Amino acid sequence: DTGVSQDPRHKITKRGQNVTFRCDPISEHNRLYWYRQTLGQGPEFLTYFQNEAQLEKSRLLSDRFSAERPKGSFSTLEIQRTEQGDSAMYLCASSRRLGEEETQYFGPGTRLLVL
Amino acid sequence: AQTVTQSQPEMSVQEAETVTLSCTYDTSENNYYLFWYKQPPSRQMILVIRQEAYKQQNATENRFSVNFQKAAKSFSLKISDSQLGDTAMYFCAFMKLGNFNKFYFGSGTKLNVKP
Repeated sequence: DTGVSQDPRHKITKRGQNVTFRCDPISEHNRLYWYRQTLGQGPEFLTYFQNEAQLEKSRLLSDRFSAERPKGSFSTLEIQRTEQGDSAMYLCASSRRLGEEETQYFGPGTRLLVL
Repeated sequence: AQTVTQSQPEMSVQEAETVTLSCTYDTSENNYYLFWYKQPPSRQMILVIRQEAYKQQNATENRFSVNFQKAAKSFSLKISDSQLGDTAMYFCAFMKLGNFNKFYFGSGTKLNVKP
């Protein structure tokens, strides 16, 4: 168990460019979550996958954002036509539900800066 | 809607002393989980402690314990014998149980442990 990993750890881009982030969950976890965290705030939910199915999306996830989880393993989050307001830390978390118990384990995050 | 409130943006404590971080939440749910997560500077978020709402006994993990007051919707974290490595942002989180377990995070409390 190597934990949740995310790549890249940091990304600087110019406004209008597209960016893609990757998350590799803990191997036996079938649930995967994406969050956005701005400075001085707690994480805000963006979207959720159970296996390969995207089951929930936040209103924060505009049509410029798309997430995939092919084959139910790693996930990607793409932001098209980035805006300065997209600058944030993007966190991925994975979990496995056992009965009603579930604890999310977080990756180190990808810090995005849009210039 | 669920909300989580952390009313202390920043706190300080001397090494070896005890500190309590406050968290209140608002929900109409009866079954849920509460969490405290720690996010050290530039490092990933890790789970500190978890409390099931149906359990009356307060959770403890070594130097970390909670005071869970369900009727008051309060969930405070006590850190005993504070260590320099406890310096971090601490986030209180509420998990609503359902087909999709959604997490709601507070805005965090920055804890500084002073030597």
